[in-house]
Amino acid sequence: NAGVTQTPKFRILKIGQSMTLQCAQDMNHNYMYWYRQDPGMGLKLIYYSVGAGITDKGEVPNGYNVSRSTTEDFPLRLELAAPSQTSVYFCASSYLQLTSGGTDTQYFGPGTRLTVL
Amino acid sequence: KNQVEQSPQSLIILEGKNCTLQCNYTVSPFSNLRWYKQDTGRGPVSLTIMTFSENTKSNGRYTATLDADTKQSSLHITASQLSDSASYICVVYVMDSNYQLIWGAGTKLIIKP
Repeated sequence: NAGVTQTPKFRILKIGQSMTLQCAQDMNHNYMYWYRQDPGMGLKLIYYSVGAGITDKGEVPNGYNVSRSTTEDFPLRLELAAPSQTSVYFCASSYLQLTSGGTDTQYFGPGTRLTVL
Repeated sequence: KNQVEQSPQSLIILEGKNCTLQCNYTVSPFSNLRWYKQDTGRGPVSLTIMTFSENTKSNGRYTATLDADTKQSSLHITASQLSDSASYICVVYVMDSNYQLIWGAGTKLIIKP
């Protein structure tokens, strides 16, 4: 199993450009998540999905969009990139839902380092 | 406000030495607490998870403790190795929430030979 994979690993965008960060998992997990990690800060949840066709906002969804057409894939779309979106983005998945005291393990991808200039 | 604070921010120790990392939280209602290890340039990897009723849990050379009364947790690393160099992140799960994981900023640990 490859686990959770993310592409690209690095990307530089100009202000106003758009791009899609790809995320795929081969563990047949229903639950998938997108986080951003800024220097010196804890991870912040952007969006999550509880299954194909179902997505919901996290703490910091503004400026991002997601879709979940299959169990395996959960792309994150950045529209009109801004310098504030410079960050490292992590995708994660879990078998069980991490709500109401869930103790399931989250598996993370290697991250995408995005710079917006 | 739900918060997780970790100390120290960074720590340098010699290979073979022990160390303890701290996590204080003001999360309510508390569900469980997890420690992650994050190598540079990689995603976090779960080390251990502790529920309300657990005081101590070990994973090899890593031992986590939890005091739910004082809302403190610690991660003790025994006989450190160069491969332990990483950031260690404390995450607290909030109960009765649609989705709420409160992530600490992490402690950056450097092991020197």
